[in-house]
Amino acid sequence: AQKVTQAQTEISVVEKEDVTLDCVYETRDTTYYLFWYKQPPSGELVFLIRRNSFDEQNEISGRYSWNFQKSTSSFNFTITASQVVDSAVYFCALSELGEYGNKLVFGAGTILRVKS
Amino acid sequence: DGGITQSPKYLFRKEGQNVTLSCEQNLNHDAMYWYRQDPGQGLRLIYYSQIVNDFQKGDIAEGYSVSREKKESFPLTVTSAQKNPTAFYLCASSIRSGNWIQYFGAGTRLSVL
Repeated sequence: AQKVTQAQTEISVVEKEDVTLDCVYETRDTTYYLFWYKQPPSGELVFLIRRNSFDEQNEISGRYSWNFQKSTSSFNFTITASQVVDSAVYFCALSELGEYGNKLVFGAGTILRVKS
Repeated sequence: DGGITQSPKYLFRKEGQNVTLSCEQNLNHDAMYWYRQDPGQGLRLIYYSQIVNDFQKGDIAEGYSVSREKKESFPLTVTSAQKNPTAFYLCASSIRSGNWIQYFGAGTRLSVL
């Protein structure tokens, strides 16, 4: 079965520091997708990125970057020059193709607190 | 605006009472999902539906029921059999195949009186 581990329960940083959120996954599928979602205090999960297992190229979007390493089954997320608005819970997720359709398996989440 | 609407935002349940959480989407998505979120446990799948009039149990379906009579709607009933219903409930939808991305509503927080 699929499994996603986010070992960091909570991280606190001071504004403008860089921070990396770790995600390690387990799967027997050869083709799969990895995701990151952000959950601000309002509660709604916001989609950030989807990565195909065949595409190991790192991606950068503004202050956000993602490092996908198939060899270590990791998909880490880095925020550069963090801001208070980055404070949220961040979830890593892995695709699971079940008998009855597509599902996502979520990690436990990492609480990020950015202090001014 | 296209999106997913969950209501109510807050809900209180009395002992022995069934309560229904609403989830409506206007994204024309085929698949819909219900998750339960408890502190420190991430999201756990309760039920999901890929097409109208069909749905499947997720990992923690006991004490819950759903229906999918319309493409746009996927209500969740928390029955009296669910002994620990206090949690944050999130509804999501996605296209049935392809990009796998799920889009979420703002959630309903359920508490027991």
